Amino acid sequence: NAGVTQTPKFRILKIGQSMTLQCTQDMNHNYMYWYRQDPGMGLKLIYYSVGAGITDKGEVPNGYNVSRSTTEDFPLRLELAAPSQTSVYFCASSFTPTGQFFGPGTRLTVL
Amino acid sequence: KNEVEQSPQNLTAQEGEFITINCSYSVGISALHWLQQHPGGGIVSLFMLSSGKKKHGRLIATINIQEKHSSLHITASHPRDSAVYICAVFGETSGSRLTFGEGTQLTVNP
Repeated sequence: NAGVTQTPKFRILKIGQSMTLQCTQDMNHNYMYWYRQDPGMGLKLIYYSVGAGITDKGEVPNGYNVSRSTTEDFPLRLELAAPSQTSVYFCASSFTPTGQFFGPGTRLTVL
Repeated sequence: KNEVEQSPQNLTAQEGEFITINCSYSVGISALHWLQQHPGGGIVSLFMLSSGKKKHGRLIATINIQEKHSSLHITASHPRDSAVYICAVFGETSGSRLTFGEGTQLTVNP
């Protein structure tokens, strides 16, 4: 099993550009999560999903969108990137809400 | 006040020392996680516990539900233990969501 994979590993965006961060898991987990981690700060939940077709907002959803059309994939879309979205983004998945497996992260810089 | 608070924020130790990292939380919880984030950024789950004590190798995690407090201990610390250690809780009313502490940066010098 590859576990939780994220692409890309690094990305630099200009203000106003859009991009999609990809997250895929091959463990048949129902629950998937997107977090952001700002320097020196704890992880903050952006969006989460409890199964295909179901998504819900976390603590910091503004400026992001998600979809969950399959169990395996949970892409995070940034529209109109802003410098405040410079962060490291982690995707995680779990079979139940507890015991989350984390992906390796995507480091995003918005200039 | 954060729902999950860790102490200390930074900790430097000499190889071989016994390490303790503390986590206090202010809500009722169903489970608590200890996570390790390596210098390269990867996050690994160390323990999930809802009562008592768990041990894995040189790592020990304890939780006191009544006092809303958990500790992570590292015995015979080693430079490879240098990482950020993160406490996270599942609140009883938070559904599927974890609330994270800000992490403790541990540096173990040879």
